[in-house]
Amino acid sequence: DTGVSQDPRHKITKRGQNVTFRCDPISEHNRLYWYRQTLGQGPEFLTYFQNEAQLEKSRLLSDRFSAERPKGSFSTLEIQRTEQGDSAMYLCASSLGDRLNYGYTFGSGTRLTVV
Amino acid sequence: KQEVTQIPAALSVPEGENLVLNCSFTDSAIYNLQWFRQDPGKGLTSLLLIQSSQREQTSGRLNASLDKSSGRSTLYIAASQPGDSATYLCAGTPAFGGYQKVTFGIGTKLQVIP
Repeated sequence: DTGVSQDPRHKITKRGQNVTFRCDPISEHNRLYWYRQTLGQGPEFLTYFQNEAQLEKSRLLSDRFSAERPKGSFSTLEIQRTEQGDSAMYLCASSLGDRLNYGYTFGSGTRLTVV
Repeated sequence: KQEVTQIPAALSVPEGENLVLNCSFTDSAIYNLQWFRQDPGKGLTSLLLIQSSQREQTSGRLNASLDKSSGRSTLYIAASQPGDSATYLCAGTPAFGGYQKVTFGIGTKLQVIP
């Protein structure tokens, strides 16, 4: 297992287009998180899955955003009708166990640029 | 709402110097705390995790401690090297109100000068 994988690493898209990102967590991790990080800021929580169930969504996750984890393994994050304000690094993390006692493992992120 | 402050925001030190990075939480009820390193344009690499029953963790030249009574954590880096240059972020899990709401600081940008 090589850790958390995210694809693509970089995405440039025109405003108004839809984009989809993929995250493959560490195989035995049952929890998966999406965060967004803008330049000079710390990561901000977007949403969280335990197995295939999406248990929480941040207010940052507008109705243009949707995340899925259909089989409790990989996850996708889709942004519809992208806006310039969506430009950010989208980070995926996974963890195992209760109350994060095992900590987060992050992927390398997907950098989105909306032009 | 939990807020995390990291001090200093940026730090530049000569190679070989020992240094301390600070992290504090407005809500001191922290369950566990994790320190990360982030290189420019990259994801986060976990450095140390202080679990709920612990007060400090050590890995190589790194030592992190957590004072739960005050909600403060420090990351100590001994004998700094140019390869340590990166942004260091702390992240805390609250003891109550949603264990998934891990809150990150903005980070301390460290530059180690050869």
